Amino acid sequence: EVQLVQSGAEVKKAGESLKIFCKGSGYNFPIYWIAWVRQMPGRGLEWMGLTYPNGSDTRYNPSFQGQVTISVDKSINTAYLEWSSLKASDTAIYYCTRQGLTTTFNPVFDFWGQGTVVTVSS
Amino acid sequence: SYVLTQPPSVSVAPGRTARITCGGNNIGSESVHWYQQKSGQAPVLVVYDDSDRPSEIPERFSGSNSGNTATLIISNVEAGDEADYYCQVWDRSSDHIWVFGGGTKLTVL
Repeated sequence: EVQLVQSGAEVKKAGESLKIFCKGSGYNFPIYWIAWVRQMPGRGLEWMGLTYPNGSDTRYNPSFQGQVTISVDKSINTAYLEWSSLKASDTAIYYCTRQGLTTTFNPVFDFWGQGTVVTVSS
Repeated sequence: SYVLTQPPSVSVAPGRTARITCGGNNIGSESVHWYQQKSGQAPVLVVYDDSDRPSEIPERFSGSNSGNTATLIISNVEAGDEADYYCQVWDRSSDHIWVFGGGTKLTVL
C-alpha cells in the first residue's frame, strides 16, 4: 500500500527556521517525483515545486523560488520542505504528493500525504 | 502563465447530476485531472486524463474536455459528495509547471 506520512503540526514564530518531512513507503520511492502543495487558510491548492529522488532534480513554481527549499534523501525515502526565515504569511497546510503516471503516461498526483499544519505567529 | 477558472460554488439536489466547469485557453488540448477535497482532509484524485477514474472511485464520477472548457460530471449525487473540487493541468509550455483551478465548493441541498 502506497503511503506518504508527513511530520506533525508546527507552531513557530516569524523569523524562525523550519524543515518538515514526507516519508514514502509501499512503492519504489526513488523513481517517482514528490511534489509539495500549499493550502492557505480557506484558500485553494497551490503547487510549490517538486523533486526527483533518483537524480536530485528539483523544480520550483516561480512564485515560491527563493522562498523555500525542497530536498530529498532517497536512502530513507524522505522528502523535505524547508524555510530559513518564516513569515506569518507562511501559515498554511502543506501537502506532499506523489507524481505518478496515468495509463496514457501523463503525470498526475496520485497519492497524497495527510498534510502538515504550519502556524507562524508574528 | 496558464490560468484555470472554476465557479466558486455549485449546488445540486441529491440524486441529480452536478457539473463543475474548468475554463482555460484551449484546455481541450490538455490532459485535465480533478481532485476532491472533503473538509479537513487531503485531496483525492477522482478523475484523470479528462474522463478516466481510479479504480476505487465510483462510476458516478466522469468528465469531459473540449475547446476552452473541461467539466467534471457527478451523476446521482449523494450527500457524501459534498466537497471542494479542483481541476489541474500540467503547463507544458512552462516546463513542468503545475496549475490548479481556484476550486469549486459543491453543496448537496
